[in-house]
Parts: sequence; structure tokens; C-alpha cells
Amino acid sequence: AQKVTQAQTEISVVEKEDVTLDCVYETRDTTYYLFWYKQPPSGELVFLIRRNSFDEQNEISGRYSWNFQKSTSSFNFTITASQVVDSAVYFCALSEIQGAQKLVFGQGTRLTINP
Amino acid sequence: GAVVSQHPSWVICKSGTSVKIECRSLDFQATTMFWYRQFPKQSLMLMATSNEGSKATYEQGVEKDKFLINHASLTLSTLTVTSAHPEDSSFYICSARGLAGAHEQYFGPGTRLTVT
Repeated sequence: AQKVTQAQTEISVVEKEDVTLDCVYETRDTTYYLFWYKQPPSGELVFLIRRNSFDEQNEISGRYSWNFQKSTSSFNFTITASQVVDSAVYFCALSEIQGAQKLVFGQGTRLTINP
Repeated sequence: GAVVSQHPSWVICKSGTSVKIECRSLDFQATTMFWYRQFPKQSLMLMATSNEGSKATYEQGVEKDKFLINHASLTLSTLTVTSAHPEDSSFYICSARGLAGAHEQYFGPGTRLTVT
């Protein structure tokens, strides 16, 4: 069975600090997708990234970066120089590549950036 | 592109009544749509997967007679909560995946249901 664990329930930092959100996953599949989504107070999920399991290259997009470590089954997300607008709940998710591609979500991390 | 809408965005209904939530893919055809439920301060839990023209596949523990899903066209799926009770109050989110071979899921803005 697939499982995603986000051990950090809530994180609170001061603006401009860097913050890393942890994500650990379990799957028996040899190939899979990993995702990060942002859910602001409005409730609408915002897609941030999709990573294929055979692509272990880290990715950077502006202030966002992702570290994929297949050896430790982790897919961590770092926000550099955080801003108040980054405050949201962040979800890590996992899906199979074939078949229905159902998403399994982690519990989410509520990130609060204080001015 | 790849916009998914939901209607209504919020609804209040009385116990015992039924309420229908629509999920539409506005600029693409969706062979598969997913319905999720999210309770306050919790994660998204998949309720069911629906494929156009066939019966929905429900996750374990989800009552198919209570949560009726219809995916009658490639751009519309509906979720009907029948005989709603206060414990059905939740945030319902749909997502849609494009034609065969597509990997991206696009999420709707969600529908907040309150049952009084």
C-alpha cells in the first residue's frame, strides 16, 4: 500500500527565513510520481511540482526547491527567503504511474510565515 | 488552459435532503475524474474514481448509495450526497485527468457543504 508521511504538522517562521517541509513516502511500485500542492485559505489546491521516480535530479523554481532522495524515500520541499504569501497548507502526494493514478496525500503541513 | 470548475462553491442544506455538486473540465476532455473529501484541518481523502460512461469505483468505506457519482460526459461529473446528515458536512474537491496517457490531474476549487 502507498503511504505519505508529513511529520511536521505545523511550522511557523519569520519572514525571510528559509524553511524545509519534509515528506517521506512508502510504495511497492518501482515507478511512481511524487507531487507537492499548496492549499491557501481559499481552499483551492495549487499544483507546485510533479517528479517522476526515475528522475532524481533536484529542481529549483524561483524561491522553491525540491530534494528527491530515492534512497531514503524522501521528497523534501524548501522555500528560500519565505514571504507572508507563502502561508498555506502544503501537501505531498504520491501516485502510481500506470492504472488509475490515484493520488495518496500526506497529512499536510500548515506553514505560517510571520511578518 | 486545464481549468476545472465546481458548482456550487458552497451550499447549506437541511438534514435528510440531497445535494448535487457538479465538476466540469472547461477546456479539456476528462476521461477520469476523482472526488475527494476534506474535513477541517485534515488531508484529502479519495472517495471515488469515475470514468466517463462507466460506474464509479469507490474507495473502501465510502457508501456508494449515499454518494452517487455520475460521469455522463467527458466534461462533467456529478456527486450527489443523498439524505445528507451533519456528519457529511465537509469540503468536497474534484479533480480531472485528460485523455488516455495524460498524467496531470487538475483540481477544482472545491465545494463546501454544510448540513444543518
